[in-house]
Amino acid sequence: QVHLVQSGAEVKKPGASVKVSCKASGYTFISHTLHWVRQAPGQGLEWMGWINAGNGATKYSRKFQGRVTITRDTSASTAYMELSSLTSEDTAVYYCAKDSYYSMDVWGKGTTVTVSS
Amino acid sequence: EIVLTQSPATLSLSPGERATLSCRASQSVGTYLAWYQQKPGQVPRLLISDASNRATGIPARFSGSGSGTDFTLTISSLDPEDFAVYYCQQRSNWPPALSFGGGTRVEIK
Repeated sequence: QVHLVQSGAEVKKPGASVKVSCKASGYTFISHTLHWVRQAPGQGLEWMGWINAGNGATKYSRKFQGRVTITRDTSASTAYMELSSLTSEDTAVYYCAKDSYYSMDVWGKGTTVTVSS
Repeated sequence: EIVLTQSPATLSLSPGERATLSCRASQSVGTYLAWYQQKPGQVPRLLISDASNRATGIPARFSGSGSGTDFTLTISSLDPEDFAVYYCQQRSNWPPALSFGGGTRVEIK
């Protein structure tokens, strides 16, 4: 069965960066794009970007362009999302999700990132 | 950038009733439209992809329709476990990007 296992919760100070990992299992990692989606407390879903796990190509939402970097390590079947220059508005649950024809069929359990001084 | 507008924001219905949720795109997305269900404290679950294809394991009471800019998710007869928030999501070819609608909460009347 397909699983996406994310790294644990993080607490960061304003201005810092955070890097969240997403380890995939149960499928051929390089055959699928992975998305990153976040959800602020009480708010809706917000797409941040994707990475083609095969060739490493990325696409970012305009909102996060310049502040987010998505990478992958094919040897570890793991994708990473790094977000810089954090503010309190970045406090959210961050999800990775496996692409299936541009919908998202498997989701990680989420990583809570709290930004607080 | 394509914007998805979901309506209504909240739908108050009783178990057994029919739910009709709308998702409108600011420009055509063809049939690149998906629907998700999210219950409190849970991860979103894919219900429908390509506007009308039920995902694996999704009950037949869930159906999706539409193309271009207007889409509908219908729950034919609400089960108590269906009370949740529903999101639509689109993929655009140019510029390549994804976005979600703001969600519709289906609550027990």
